[in-house]
Amino acid sequence: ETGVTQTPRHLVMGMTNKKSLKCEQHLGHNAMYWYKQSAKKPLELMFVYSLEERVENNSVPSRFSPECPNSSHLFLHLHTLQPEDSALYLCASSQDVGGDEQFFGPGTRLTVL
Amino acid sequence: GIQVEQSPPDLILQEGANSTLRCNFSDSVNNLQWFHQNPWGQLINLFYIPSGTKQNGRLSATTVATERYSLLYISSSQTTDSGVYFCAVEISSGTYKYIFGTGTRLKVLA
Repeated sequence: ETGVTQTPRHLVMGMTNKKSLKCEQHLGHNAMYWYKQSAKKPLELMFVYSLEERVENNSVPSRFSPECPNSSHLFLHLHTLQPEDSALYLCASSQDVGGDEQFFGPGTRLTVL
Repeated sequence: GIQVEQSPPDLILQEGANSTLRCNFSDSVNNLQWFHQNPWGQLINLFYIPSGTKQNGRLSATTVATERYSLLYISSSQTTDSGVYFCAVEISSGTYKYIFGTGTRLKVLA
């Protein structure tokens, strides 16, 4: 595997479910990111991790809970989501935070019923 | 906060035509990237270009940081160029921000 991978690629969940999105990067990078892309809106940065430490949380509701167990893996835990949380969730990585090119995974398309 | 605006919002071209996409940003940035998002949502890196000019095949990009804009040139367009083109800028002043533009939706007709 090369680059940035994400699983699952599609997810349908009810508002009371708990699910997790997984991201893995095979680039030896130190920084990882979660983005949200809603219909008709620009991509929004949600969380930034550098060497497993969260460095940014851009006012994201607590029903989204990130976890970075090591510099290659990033999770987004989801619970009690709302229908308006339906979106494409994209993971990215870069060598370090700041001044480096970001590389994106294919995304998880989430539908909340 | 910083504004990132792209123009035109939509563009339809005949195969073989050339085009220029523009990205304007309202403040100083640390770096700028251009991406192509394919119909399946994958963001494909085109250029990492905080300043200057770069070329890759039929695509080239120029960023004039002092005047706060970047241009993406597509020459001899092909149907596979269809999709949405985004620019994104990075700001690292206190807090880290990576802001995407609103995108240009390109359709190339055979």
